[in-house]
Amino acid sequence: GQNIDQPTEMTATEGAIVQINCTYQTSGFNGLFWYQQHAGEAPTFLSYNVLDGLEEKGRFSSFLSRSKGYSYLLLKELQMKDSASYLCAVRPPGSGGYNKLIFGAGTRLAVHP
Amino acid sequence: EAQVTQNPRYLITVTGKKLTVTCSQNMNHEYMSWYRQDPGLGLRQIYYSMNVEVTDKGDVPEGYKVSRKEKRNFPLILESPSPNQTSLYFCASSFTVADTQYFGPGTRLTVL
Repeated sequence: GQNIDQPTEMTATEGAIVQINCTYQTSGFNGLFWYQQHAGEAPTFLSYNVLDGLEEKGRFSSFLSRSKGYSYLLLKELQMKDSASYLCAVRPPGSGGYNKLIFGAGTRLAVHP
Repeated sequence: EAQVTQNPRYLITVTGKKLTVTCSQNMNHEYMSWYRQDPGLGLRQIYYSMNVEVTDKGDVPEGYKVSRKEKRNFPLILESPSPNQTSLYFCASSFTVADTQYFGPGTRLTVL
C-alpha cells in the first residue's frame, strides 16, 4: 500500500528558514512532487524530484532520498505570503500507478512577524 | 491565459438530486483528473483520463461518473449525491501523465 506522512502544522518566523519533511512508504517509486496551497485556493506546483539529491529553485529547495523514503522542502528567507499548506505527493510504481498521484494530508505553515 | 476552469464554484444541493461539475482546460492537455479534498485526508483521486474516450478509476470512484468526449472537457457527474460527498473538488490537467498537473480553482459542494 501507500502511506505518506507529513507534520500537520508548523510555525516559523519571517526571514527564517523552515524545513518540511515528508516520508513515504510505497511499494515503489516514480517521482515526488511538492505543491503549495493557500487557504481556499488551488494547489500550485513547487518542485519535482525523481532522483536522489537537492533541487533548488529560488527560495525553495526540495531534497529526495529514495533509499530512505524521505523528502523535505526547504523554504528560505520566509515571507508572510509563504503561510500556506504544503502538500507532498508521490507517484506510485507500475503502469497503473504511474497514472496517479498519492497526496499526503499536507503541512499547514504559519509565518509570523 | 492558460487555465483550468470549473463550474460551479459553490453548490448546495440535496440528497439524490443529480448534478454535474464541469471542468475545462485550454492548454491542449491530454491528461485530466478529478480529486476531492477533505480535512485531514488530503487530496484523493476520484477518476482520471489519459485522453479522449479513455478514463479510469482513481482511489475513491464510488458514487461518481466521468466522461471525456472532447479533449478540453472532463465533467464529473454525481448521479445520486449523498452527504458523504460533501467536499472540495479539484480538477487538474497536464500534457501527459508524467508532467506537472495544473489545478482548477475548486468546487465546494455541500449535499444536505
